[in-house]
Amino acid sequence: AQSVSQHNHHVILSEAASLELGCNYSYGGTVNLFWYVQYPGQHLQLLLKYFSGDPLVKGIKGFEAEFIKSKFSFNLRKPSVQWSDTAEYFCAVRNAGKSTFGDGTTLTVKP
Amino acid sequence: ETGVTQSPTHLIKTRGQQVTLRCSSQSGHNTVSWYQQALGQGPQFIFQYYREEENGRGNFPPRFSGLQFPNYSSELNVNALELDDSALYLCASSSDISGEQYFGPGTRLTVT
Repeated sequence: AQSVSQHNHHVILSEAASLELGCNYSYGGTVNLFWYVQYPGQHLQLLLKYFSGDPLVKGIKGFEAEFIKSKFSFNLRKPSVQWSDTAEYFCAVRNAGKSTFGDGTTLTVKP
Repeated sequence: ETGVTQSPTHLIKTRGQQVTLRCSSQSGHNTVSWYQQALGQGPQFIFQYYREEENGRGNFPPRFSGLQFPNYSSELNVNALELDDSALYLCASSSDISGEQYFGPGTRLTVT
């Protein structure tokens, strides 16, 4: 069975702090990996994705993620967060025919 | 380019009733997935349709069924509603069966 685990349920940071959100998945085959973000009052939108190639992928708004195959991890990072990054972040895996999301991490950035 | 739209926005039903939720996919997308999102949880995959055929299903009972039409819009039908079916139902479309998905705003279903 395919599963996704996000280690942090709620993270609180001050502006300019660095961010790393953990994501681990379990699946024996090939999957595509995603991070989605949901800003307050808005619907889910794609932050970044990994299909193949360079394991370090860059997304919108300065976010990046690193795929480490041996650890089944796809952690999200940002060097310096802003107040506008306050949102809920979801890690997801997808293969042909099935998608699995983690339970999300709520990020609160204090100005 | 029109995004993913869903209707209705909110819905209140009584236990035992049936409900149909609708989704219009983004232009050019042939794959639609449906998710159930309970409060405080991530989206739970219900099923996926690709070119009018169901090609993937999560751990949901058969009373959750769906359709995809030739224009790639989709319906989610839930029969014999239970209180635990109260949730936000999300529709997402994509241009293939494993790529990035574009989400609609969701339909909030309340079962009383």
